[in-house]
Amino acid sequence: DIQMTQSPSTLSPSVGDRVTITCRASQSISDWLAWYQHKPGKAPKLLIYKASSLESGVPSRFSGTRSGTEFTLTITSLQPDDLATYYCQQYNSYPWTFGQGTKVEIK
Amino acid sequence: QVQLQQSGPGLVKPSQTLSLTCAISGDSVSANSVAWDWIRQSPSRGLEWLGRTYYTSRWYNDYAEPMKGRININSDTTNNQVSLQLSSVTPEDTAIYYCARKNGVFAFDIWGQGTMVTVSS
Repeated sequence: DIQMTQSPSTLSPSVGDRVTITCRASQSISDWLAWYQHKPGKAPKLLIYKASSLESGVPSRFSGTRSGTEFTLTITSLQPDDLATYYCQQYNSYPWTFGQGTKVEIK
Repeated sequence: QVQLQQSGPGLVKPSQTLSLTCAISGDSVSANSVAWDWIRQSPSRGLEWLGRTYYTSRWYNDYAEPMKGRININSDTTNNQVSLQLSSVTPEDTAIYYCARKNGVFAFDIWGQGTMVTVSS
């Protein structure tokens, strides 16, 4: 199985900060990586697909990049509504696997 | 607008079978190029993919290796829904269970609301 190593596990930025979350795949997954935002009591929400494509309706402050097997989710100016846990997920090969999650707690 | 509505019991006894249903609106369970997956989340395992069903000329299923032998995912074209059955459950199967649509390059673009299932006597 492809292992997805996500870091950091928690973040405590301030409103307006630039936030970066990293996900590293244990082998090549091409661009087949998605990012999700998960708030307690709600379903996960797709933010980014195919490493860097923004899902319809998602604010432009979210962006994704890829460098080899390392992927980055960036929030350019953190908003109070961005309090959530963020997960990466590879869909290059079965079984689909997820990162361990990054909890963003606003300072 | 595609929506997934989950239903099923929140409490299951050990050794019994967990059964959940995911009703689909705004799409067809037998639509091409999509799959209907089940994923669960627990504090110990994080997000864990369980399996999927999809239709391409005929029905296919794929299951996560640790689930094989215990899991069954079915489609119901009459009611436009998918179901999950997980047998011989233990407390380790306590989790929030989600159904989700895997939509080609878009990954999991639609999710059900989640069902918290507790395995306890």
